[in-house]
This record gives sequence, structure tokens and C-alpha cells, in this order.
Amino acid sequence: QKEVEQNSGPLSVPEGAIASLNCTYSDRVSQSFFWYRQYSGKSPELIMSIYSNGDKEDGRFTAQLNKASQYVSLLIRDSQPSDSATYLCAVRNAGNMLTFGGGTRLMVKP
Amino acid sequence: GAGVSQSPSNKVTEKGKDVELRCDPISGHTALYWYRQSLGQGLEFLIYFQGNSAPDKSGLPSDRFSAERTGGSVSTLTIQRTQQEDSAVYLCASSLSPGDGNTIYFGEGSWLTVV
Repeated sequence: QKEVEQNSGPLSVPEGAIASLNCTYSDRVSQSFFWYRQYSGKSPELIMSIYSNGDKEDGRFTAQLNKASQYVSLLIRDSQPSDSATYLCAVRNAGNMLTFGGGTRLMVKP
Repeated sequence: GAGVSQSPSNKVTEKGKDVELRCDPISGHTALYWYRQSLGQGLEFLIYFQGNSAPDKSGLPSDRFSAERTGGSVSTLTIQRTQQEDSAVYLCASSLSPGDGNTIYFGEGSWLTVV
């Protein structure tokens, strides 16, 4: 089992819809969780971090964390074509190392 | 420099040759990571350096791969006897402190093509 798992997609949503991206992790003691966006041919860039159970909102983005279920998600409201990218989930493990999931490719269609 | 700098940005090499990829992290960042990303794939962890601690080499795919970090700053990833399956983007990243996803910054990558 991979430490951090994501559905590779592609996830296709119409413009204006909510995109829901999911991530599961295996290390129960993980405390820090991050979402990155990677445009094609570019390097990943941080979108959000979350540390506590519940929701964290930043503009059109909401991160959700459920440590009991070892599950973290990213919701993108009012999706725009410019949101089309690969979204990477990362988890800080007990060894203080960031482990990335394989990423989910999101396509927002006009 | 202001960001993570990697060189070369592009490298085409013949199968069997050795290559060296360089990463210059952000000044003051103690943690340095190497990842590999094949076309359309996610990030594959290779190696992690943290300060003066022994590096975590658990992600290196074979003994043809090695890396070092001199003086806690610049790092070099070396691939010996390159194979076609080594073709990928090699991304270096650094963070202010161990595992700090808020301060991790990636370089633009070194695109390696083995022909």
C-alpha cells in the first residue's frame, strides 16, 4: 500500500461546478497535510495546508481533514478552466519527510 | 538566489553515459529533496537531506543513483550508466525545516532524456 494515495483521474467537471479531490494516507501519526497544484510542465506550488480535523477555507478552496478515516480532501468551488492542473496531496510523516501522492488531474471544461 | 536553482534544465544523453544534476537550494533551507516525475505521473521520492543527518536514500531506484549534499547547501544527483527508463524530470525542492510543506519550494527541474 502506498503511503499517500490519490485517484489519478482525469476528473472532469464543467465550469462553475464544485471539484472534489480526495487523498488517503497510511501513517496514522501524520499531523500535517498539504495540497499543491502543478500546471503541465511546471513545478508544484502550495495551495493550502491543514493540520486539524474539519474544514479550512481559503477563497474558492476548502481543505477537509478526517484523521480517524485517514482522509484529506480539497474542494474547489466555482471551478474555472484555469484550475485545470494536477493536484498533489502531501503528508508530513513521523520522520518529518513530505510524501506526495501520485496526483489527480483535473479538467474544467468551459 | 531567490529560488531553488537546478542545472542543467535539459539534458540529452546516450544510454550508458553518466549524468550529474545539480541543485542549489534556497539559502537557509535545511531540508533538501530530490524527486523524479515521469511524463504524466506523480512525484517519486528519491532522496532527502536534512542538515547534518544521514540522508534518507530509501527512494533511490537502484545503485546507479547516488546523491550528495556538500556543506549543507548544493546537492548533486548522479546517475551512472543511464538507461532509457531514467528519462524523466528530476525535481529538487528545499524547505526551511524538516517536512515543512508550507515552506517547500521546487526548482524548475532538470529534464533528462536518455537516447
